Amino acid sequence: SQKIEQNSEALNIQEGKTATLTCNYTNYSPAYLQWYRQDPGRGPVFLLLIRENEKEKRKERLKVTFDTTLKQSLFHITASQPADSATYLCALPNDYKLSFGAGTTVTVRA
Amino acid sequence: DGGITQSPKYLFRKEGQNVTLSCEQNLNHDAMYWYRQDPGQGLRLIYYSQIVNDFQKGDIAEGYSVSREKKESFPLTVTSAQKNPTAFYLCASSIVGSSYNSPLHFGNGTRLTVT
Repeated sequence: SQKIEQNSEALNIQEGKTATLTCNYTNYSPAYLQWYRQDPGRGPVFLLLIRENEKEKRKERLKVTFDTTLKQSLFHITASQPADSATYLCALPNDYKLSFGAGTTVTVRA
Repeated sequence: DGGITQSPKYLFRKEGQNVTLSCEQNLNHDAMYWYRQDPGQGLRLIYYSQIVNDFQKGDIAEGYSVSREKKESFPLTVTSAQKNPTAFYLCASSIVGSSYNSPLHFGNGTRLTVT
């Protein structure tokens, strides 16, 4: 069966450090992968899309990698700030819909 | 400002009652979706619609119904047949179906509590 697995443990890091989140998938052959941010009580907000032929994508302090051989995407938040505290979701296309991982909650301590 | 409006933010119902959750978008998007979110689980797709007057079941459609009479609106009815209706419900839209790379735009959800 298809699975999307993200770090099950919440991530607590010191301000200024880099947070690295993992998204592993099985029984998918995605043409792309998306990352979203979700704050408590709010809907997810789209952050980045990376295509299967792209190894790496950057947006400001965010960096995403996509390894189709390992079936894994890594999401990095560099120079983290308390405002980066949120839950981060990865999502893969599945026919005409997106399937989501359960998310990883990141808390950045000042 | 363009966006998706879900109302109400909190909804309380007694067991056995049907309840309808509203979702309106002014983004001129063709595709709309309903997801359910439970603690510790990923978003699970209930229904989606790629065009007016057409919709398809998602992964957990049992106990739910939808309509898509207008491009802007995609209401979700949680029926009494849904065994565990208490959850956070999220509506989303996109330019076209997800297989075309379009990111989803989400509303801020409706938290439904059934007692």
